[in-house]
Amino acid sequence: DAGITQSPRHKVTETGTPVTLRCHQTENHRYMYWYRQDPGHGLRLIHYSYGVKDTDKGEVSDGYSVSRSKTEDFLLTLESATSSQTSVYFCAISERNSMASTGELFFGEGSRLTVL
Amino acid sequence: GESVGLHLPTLSVQEGDNSIINCAYSNSASDYFIWYKQESGKGPQFIIDIRSNMDKRQGQRVTVLLNKTVKHLSLQIAATQPGDSAVYFCAEKTGANSKLTFGKGITLSVRP
Repeated sequence: DAGITQSPRHKVTETGTPVTLRCHQTENHRYMYWYRQDPGHGLRLIHYSYGVKDTDKGEVSDGYSVSRSKTEDFLLTLESATSSQTSVYFCAISERNSMASTGELFFGEGSRLTVL
Repeated sequence: GESVGLHLPTLSVQEGDNSIINCAYSNSASDYFIWYKQESGKGPQFIIDIRSNMDKRQGQRVTVLLNKTVKHLSLQIAATQPGDSAVYFCAEKTGANSKLTFGKGITLSVRP
């Protein structure tokens, strides 16, 4: 299994509070991604990173920010959590840019976030 | 665990039988397709991929078929085992620099 660790794995928080999810990889892969997974939807891309300090928005980026200060860590922050952000969040990594080639994505185990 | 298998269509098969999981894609310009498997409480796991210039590709116990005429993708699993029980979903990509678009998934349930 690819060395990807997400933390926390479970979190319950209240509306309006900030939340940060962490993704840590030991594979030294250049590309990192944050997805959310909800019933009735496929995985949807929130943000991705193509290198240290290089990030870009995905299809559902509103209400989320990311940071990547080191190759191994990619943080997802909800500045002010809302109930619509209750979801399972997955981090993924790839050696190559999955958007420009056939790069295989390796996923973490997921972080279940509940916003009350 | 982390899974979103609720409200997904379910395919139930007998252990030892072959399974066929289907996926319809919407964009005729999509040129790359991937099948993922997601077990309960885990993240999605790559199974097999296929480019649009192919119509069939085989892996270990799995085969992916692509029919571009009707925009249909299928995953065939030979001699289905209990460990194959999971949610399966397809993903498509349209051209360079595009993102992967994931389908909603199908739950495969294997009867002993």
